[in-house]
Amino acid sequence: SQQGEEDPQALSIQEGENATMNCSYKTSINNLQWYRQNSGRGLVHLILIRSNEREKHSGRLRVTLDTSKKSSSLLITASRAADTASYFCATDDRKKGGSEKLVFGKGTKLTVNP
Amino acid sequence: DVKVTQSSRYLVKRTGEKVFLECVQDMDHENMFWYRQDPGLGLRLIYFSYDVKMKEKGDIPEGYSVSREKKERFSLILESASTNQTSMYLCASRSAVLSGNTIYFGEGSWLTVV
Repeated sequence: SQQGEEDPQALSIQEGENATMNCSYKTSINNLQWYRQNSGRGLVHLILIRSNEREKHSGRLRVTLDTSKKSSSLLITASRAADTASYFCATDDRKKGGSEKLVFGKGTKLTVNP
Repeated sequence: DVKVTQSSRYLVKRTGEKVFLECVQDMDHENMFWYRQDPGLGLRLIYFSYDVKMKEKGDIPEGYSVSREKKERFSLILESASTNQTSMYLCASRSAVLSGNTIYFGEGSWLTVV
């Protein structure tokens, strides 16, 4: 079952611009995570935000979480060509026994043009 | 750093063959996962394992089985490969003890069934 759903599916911007990706989910969560995947490679963890947090920063990344709207956003500031990748949100599947499984969305494909 | 190693990066198998995909992690993680990733469908969980000899079906277990005889190794088995199992397979692991539920992924195995 898909929990998180990213929006937009694809995003193309110029280097130096900011990129914003959104994630919506359906059920209560303990935390929400964002992952990055370079083409043809495995996923790499970027950042985790807990359900009692509203905003978190890590370098050029800013993540927000609105549990009332069941949504999160990932902002990449001052984007670089090397940020070109797919970005996934992941939430825990609490209804099946707690934080045992992470369920991933379908991802946003970001292209940063030099 | 956590290292999750998938033994084969690219495989081509014939319909009906038995296929083994091997995954090894070096961080003594209790939890291990097998996902498949297809365009437009995101990551879908096939099986996961809580600990040695423990396994549980994910969202799409049909046509697959798994083996976890040692803590560091989690094998995905396609008993009789079919063309609709052509996909990218991702192995992942996670500590069940540390908080945060961050999953560490391998680089993926591209399987083509002809």
